Amino acid sequence: SQQGEEDPQALSIQEGENATMNCSYKTSINNLQWYRQNSGRGLVHLILIRSNEREKHSGRLRVTLDTSKKSSSLLITASRAADTASYFCATEISGYSTLTFGKGTMLLVSP
Amino acid sequence: EAQVTQNPRYLITVTGKKLTVTCSQNMNHEYMSWYRQDPGLGLRQIYYSMNVEVTDKGDVPEGYKVSRKEKRNFPLILESPSPNQTSLYFCASRSGGAGQETQYFGPGTRLLVL
Repeated sequence: SQQGEEDPQALSIQEGENATMNCSYKTSINNLQWYRQNSGRGLVHLILIRSNEREKHSGRLRVTLDTSKKSSSLLITASRAADTASYFCATEISGYSTLTFGKGTMLLVSP
Repeated sequence: EAQVTQNPRYLITVTGKKLTVTCSQNMNHEYMSWYRQDPGLGLRQIYYSMNVEVTDKGDVPEGYKVSRKEKRNFPLILESPSPNQTSLYFCASRSGGAGQETQYFGPGTRLLVL
């Protein structure tokens, strides 16, 4: 069953602009993770935010979590062409359990 | 280098011909899982394993089998593949420890069943 749903499905921006992707989920979570996938390749972990955290940063990435709205956002600042990829949110309902992925946002960053 | 490996990377087969996709990790992770990825559906979990000899069904287990005889290996078995199992398959692993929730993914196996 799909727990996380990303929005938008696709996003096209110019280099240097910021990209924001959103994720909504249905049930209470232990943590929420964001992954990146370059076309047809394996997923790479970007950042994890726990249910008791509201915001995390990693380089040009900023993730927020609003547990009252059951939503998260991923902001990529000063985007680069190399950021072109699909981005997935994944939720873990309790520690030691499985990850449930959304369908992803396809980001295209044009030079 | 810490990694998850899958073999083969690409496979074309015919309906009904049994196949196995291997997955191996060198990080001594307890937890391993298999996902399939299809256009418009994202990643869906097939099976997972919390440790050796402990496996459980994910969201889409029909038509698949797994085994976990050793900690490092988690093969995915298709006893009688069908065309609807044409997909991109990923193996993943993670540590079982608290605060170790990051999953590490293999490079993927692209399967075509004719």
